[in-house]
Amino acid sequence: AQSVAQPEDQVNVAEGNPLTVKCTYSVSGNPYLFWYVQYPNRGLQFLLKYITGDNLVKGSYGFEAEFNKSQTSFHLKKPSALVSDSALYFCAVRDGGNAGNMLTFGGGTRLMVKP
Amino acid sequence: DGGITQSPKYLFRKEGQNVTLSCEQNLNHDAMYWYRQDPGQGLRLIYYSQIVNDFQKGDIAEGYSVSREKKESFPLTVTSAQKNPTAFYLCASSSYMNTEAFFGQGTRLTVV
Repeated sequence: AQSVAQPEDQVNVAEGNPLTVKCTYSVSGNPYLFWYVQYPNRGLQFLLKYITGDNLVKGSYGFEAEFNKSQTSFHLKKPSALVSDSALYFCAVRDGGNAGNMLTFGGGTRLMVKP
Repeated sequence: DGGITQSPKYLFRKEGQNVTLSCEQNLNHDAMYWYRQDPGQGLRLIYYSQIVNDFQKGDIAEGYSVSREKKESFPLTVTSAQKNPTAFYLCASSSYMNTEAFFGQGTRLTVV
């Protein structure tokens, strides 16, 4: 079975400061890792993914994430937060060796960026 | 414009009624999914389909039914057997070759 943990229900950061949203995962095969963002009453928007290659992945809106195999983590980061980044963020994992194509999501982390 | 369209955006159901949520995609994706999201919680998988005329139960399939008669369409029926159907429902699709899933804008179902 595969699983994702987002240990923080909410992260508060001041505008202009760096932000980190944490994610750890468990999967039996090769991890395919994803970050999504959700604004109120909207669907999820894809931000970035790690499949293979460079451990630092760059995505939309200035976000990046670092894959750490030894710590089974895939933390989302941004050097300088904007108020408009305030939203709900989801980490997800898929087993790359499984043709079932299933995504498992974490419980979500609410990011609050204050002016 | 390619994408996933869910309708309606808001839906109200009376006790004991069945309702059907629509999900259509024009991305030529093989796989389609239905998720349920409750306030302050993550996404839970209801049903998924990898090919036409085939689908599998997810983690919370009880009280729901689906069909996949066409590649583009994956409607979800919330039956009267679902005791607590008020939630936000999200449809998604993915290609086997592309690994990320793309989501519709969701349907908010409320029991009145």
